Amino acid sequence: KAGVTQTPRYLIKTRGQQVTLSCSPISGHRSVSWYQQTPGQGLQFLFEYFSETQRNKGNFPGRFSGRQFSNSRSEMNVSTLELGDSALYLCASSLVVGPRSEQYFGPGTRLTVT
Amino acid sequence: ELKVEQNPLFLSMQEGKNYTIYCNYSTTSDRLYWYRQDPGKSLESLFVLLSNGAVKQEGRLMASLDTKARLSTLHITAAVHDLSATYFCAVDRDDKIIFGKGTRLHILP
Repeated sequence: KAGVTQTPRYLIKTRGQQVTLSCSPISGHRSVSWYQQTPGQGLQFLFEYFSETQRNKGNFPGRFSGRQFSNSRSEMNVSTLELGDSALYLCASSLVVGPRSEQYFGPGTRLTVT
Repeated sequence: ELKVEQNPLFLSMQEGKNYTIYCNYSTTSDRLYWYRQDPGKSLESLFVLLSNGAVKQEGRLMASLDTKARLSTLHITAAVHDLSATYFCAVDRDDKIIFGKGTRLHILP
């Protein structure tokens, strides 16, 4: 069974631009969660989607948004990029909603904002 | 607010030695996770601990959970170089996973 895939793997953007990251979950998984990993703040929960609905959201500004499609694929968007948004963005998929179902992480998208 | 603290944050040890990584969390949670991350790579799930007194072992790694003490440990037995990585513990609260800062483990040959 194929694992979680994320595209693109690497991205360089300029301050003020916006970016869209994509995540394809494991086949049959309906929940997708997004995390931001930085050296300073560590791993932080962004949001979780299940059946095209956002079920949970972390403490991030409204510039961070996401959506999920009917095939469970998910995208996250960051608008008006700031230098501090440079990070590894990880998505994780699970069978059911909530972290009580084991999560499988994708390889991540490394975003650099200059 | 749930806080998850790991210690040590960095550990350098010789091959063949035993050591323990500690994970303390501040509020009740009945599910604790351990993950491994290699440099530049994603997270690999190691253990999911579901109840007080739970103990799980995989190879040279053993994890345990004491929900009364709000403490989990990851014990490394007879370390080998391949175990060099960063280890994260995480707990769930209100359907969100909160991660510790991670313990960077460096095993010297």
